[in-house]
Amino acid sequence: DQQVKQNSPSLSVQEGRISILNCDYTNSMFDYFLWYKKYPAEGPTFLISISSIKDKNEDGRFTVFLNKSAKHLSLHIVPSQPGDSAVYFCAASATSGTYKYIFGTGTRLKVLA
Amino acid sequence: EAEVAQSPRYKITEKSQAVAFWCDPISGHATLYWYRQILGQGPELLVQFQDESVVDDSQLPKDRFSAERLKGVDSTLKIQPAELGDSAMYLCASSPRPRGELFFGEGSRLTVL
Repeated sequence: DQQVKQNSPSLSVQEGRISILNCDYTNSMFDYFLWYKKYPAEGPTFLISISSIKDKNEDGRFTVFLNKSAKHLSLHIVPSQPGDSAVYFCAASATSGTYKYIFGTGTRLKVLA
Repeated sequence: EAEVAQSPRYKITEKSQAVAFWCDPISGHATLYWYRQILGQGPELLVQFQDESVVDDSQLPKDRFSAERLKGVDSTLKIQPAELGDSAMYLCASSPRPRGELFFGEGSRLTVL
């Protein structure tokens, strides 16, 4: 049972345009979400987070939107740069228990120069 | 900048052999995680420590995997005996608190022949 889903395995975007990466979740107890970027042969690096008390969080070129009723979040990258080419993972954590993070399967973003 | 250290970076072994991975988290981080990432999938939590205590090992195959964090600092993940299906990237992460951002190491790539 995949509680966190990233239904698009890959995405290609032109440099300078907007990249939108999507993530859906099924567990209504999830209330804290993270986005990570991963280059080949490296560990994931943190990008941005959002709590369920917010519907938007911005950090430079990265903005995360949360739609709690739809159990959906998205990561917007504007403008996209070739160095953004990587695999992006969303992760979710519930408000109770061990607070462990459940990761999605990832979306490979390719930004074309 | 403080980093999570992992070793070895790469390990090739034959099935039925024993394998061990080591992780040194960022100083002061009480929460430590071991994740396994199979190619094309998202990281899957194997075990979560809070200081020296295991708080979640529900997905750890306990018949062959073991993990310890004896003094609440560095940690070792062991596999014995290794099976072909254990080939994966083993990622260690630490966090200053259970709901905090995860800081990942570069990972240990295991290949079982």
